[in-house]
Amino acid sequence: GDSVTQKQGQVTLSEDDFLFINCTYSTTTYPTLFWYVQYPGQGPQLLLKVTTANNKGISRGFEATYDKGTTSFHLQKASVQESDSAVYFCALVDLTGYQNFYFGKGTSLTVIP
Amino acid sequence: EAAVTQSPRNKVTVTGGNVTLSCRQTNSHNYMYWYRQDTGHGLRLIHYSYGAGNLQIGDVPDGYKATRTTQEDFFLLLELASPSQTSLYFCASSVNRFTLYFGEGSRLIVV
Repeated sequence: GDSVTQKQGQVTLSEDDFLFINCTYSTTTYPTLFWYVQYPGQGPQLLLKVTTANNKGISRGFEATYDKGTTSFHLQKASVQESDSAVYFCALVDLTGYQNFYFGKGTSLTVIP
Repeated sequence: EAAVTQSPRNKVTVTGGNVTLSCRQTNSHNYMYWYRQDTGHGLRLIHYSYGAGNLQIGDVPDGYKATRTTQEDFFLLLELASPSQTSLYFCASSVNRFTLYFGEGSRLIVV
């Protein structure tokens, strides 16, 4: 079945550092891939989505591109700020069924000022 | 912006107790979901629905029932709560198959 894998459970950076969060996926269909962000005390919210391989999703300084060859969908940002501290989830949606979303386990980012 | 409201926001119950978590969305989205969030597991789908009266089983349904009474309202029922169901529960809705709108969560503790 469909799945996404995030191996980085926690990431700690200093302000202005480069962020790279790893995500790989498995699916038999052509996926639409997402990054959701969850700020403390809130529900997750959509950060960006990419519907086509090799296209780039960009939002709030974050960007992601998915690579069908390596089945990867990494999130990156050139210069993080303390306000970026949150949990980041990679997800894909199964378009063949009842629109089931599959989430990774999440990566908790802490940015130290 | 879609609004998804969950209640209660916090609940403590005893083992074997009966709990109902409520969710209401105000934008007439077709799809509604219940997830639980646990450290080390991320978000796991319990039940979902694509319209009033419809129910679909998610990935971790054991011990949970759900009911979608109207387009707006989706309930999660724990009839015999167990400590393993201590978790943060999120309701979400979706209309366009691409964006989930989450509520703020309901924290349940089963003692």
